[in-house]
Amino acid sequence: QMQLVQSGAEVKKTGSSVKVSCKASGYTFTYRYLHWVRQAPGQALEWMGWITPFNGNTNYAQKFQDRVTITRDRSMSTAYMELSSLRSEDTAMYYCASSAMGASIEPDYWGQGTLVTVSS
Amino acid sequence: QSVLTQPPSASGTPGQRVTISCSGSSSNIGSNTVNWYQQLPGTAPKLLIYSNNQRPSGVPDRFSGSKSGTSASLAISGLQSEDEADYYCAAWDDSLNGHWVFGGGTKLTVL
Repeated sequence: QMQLVQSGAEVKKTGSSVKVSCKASGYTFTYRYLHWVRQAPGQALEWMGWITPFNGNTNYAQKFQDRVTITRDRSMSTAYMELSSLRSEDTAMYYCASSAMGASIEPDYWGQGTLVTVSS
Repeated sequence: QSVLTQPPSASGTPGQRVTISCSGSSSNIGSNTVNWYQQLPGTAPKLLIYSNNQRPSGVPDRFSGSKSGTSASLAISGLQSEDEADYYCAAWDDSLNGHWVFGGGTKLTVL
């Protein structure tokens, strides 16, 4: 069955960067979009961006445009989300989620989440 | 401040029917379909309703969705204790090169 497995929790210093991975299995990696969504403690879900694994095209939320980079390794069926210039407000659970081909198709399979904690 | 507006909380007793509303605008709900996610405590979101009123395989028919204009609703009938969770609406937004927007979430309590 379709599965997304994310890398483990991270603790980072303010101003540094974090890179979270998301390994896909149970489907053809290049046939589905991969989204990143984050959730600060006690807060709502917030979409960060997506990548099309087939050709590496990306689209980022305006809020994260200058700080986020989403990439993929087709040979490893893995997508990555790197967030730079970390601040305390970036402390959150980060999820990857996949959707059928089409940016506006709802993400239906989600990873387990990766907790990123940012402190000074 | 979320783009889609939901009530922060809702409640009901077992067996009751509850509804959760979601309000948006012409660039999101008004021109695209609405999806609903259920998030149980400490877990990842799970797709509950897609394309306004469709249930993925395995979702009980106690859950139903509807949309009218720039608003949508999730209804849960025959409320059960295991339905206690956070519920989020989501829609594609056509502005700014297109992006996903979510509601602020509604915490459902089963009394």
